Amino acid sequence: EAGVAQSPRYKIIEKRQSVAFWCNPISGHATLYWYQQILGQGPKLLIQFQNNGVVDDSQLPKDRFSAERLKGVDSTLKIQPAKLEDSAVYLCASSLGPAATDTQYFGPGTRLTVL
Amino acid sequence: AQSVTQPDIHITVSEGASLELRCNYSYGATPYLFWYVQSPGQGLQLLLKYFSGDTLVQGIKGFEAEFKRSQSSFNLRKPSVHWSDAAEYFCAVGGRTGTASKLTFGTGTRLQVTL
Repeated sequence: EAGVAQSPRYKIIEKRQSVAFWCNPISGHATLYWYQQILGQGPKLLIQFQNNGVVDDSQLPKDRFSAERLKGVDSTLKIQPAKLEDSAVYLCASSLGPAATDTQYFGPGTRLTVL
Repeated sequence: AQSVTQPDIHITVSEGASLELRCNYSYGATPYLFWYVQSPGQGLQLLLKYFSGDTLVQGIKGFEAEFKRSQSSFNLRKPSVHWSDAAEYFCAVGGRTGTASKLTFGTGTRLQVTL
């Protein structure tokens, strides 16, 4: 079974530029998550999708971050404009459903460096 | 609000020695508890999880964890560490209702294994 795929793996941009990350979840997984992991910290949930609808985006900085999951499969996370403090690893995860008993499977992440 | 504390930022053990990684949580009801491992450049992999029942939980790679409600703890143990266990370990707590799939992670413990 293929795992969660993410691209790119690394990205370096200047502040105020825009950037987009892509995630392809495990086939059949209805729930998709984006996490931000700042160096030295644990992952923090940014947004959760159930199929193509947003379930929780309470910690997403909506003035600069946006995410979509068209057709309930792949998802993109965008930052525009980027700030220095956005430097982090962005992790995508998916699960069969939204229950806490549904195991979340994580992708390898995208490491973003903002200069 | 739910929270997780991992008091040890960095632990070094010799190969073959036993290991215990500490995790304390804060949650209003009986929590769902998880341990994830993250190797360099990799996503998070689930080691084990506790939902209910037997408080001693067995996981993959020879790891186990014990849920102690009285101490609000969920410590991870392994009787004999292998060099390949060197990685970062994250404890996480999940809610049962509402934001049922929202995981809150600790800051992680980095394990170094000496030969």
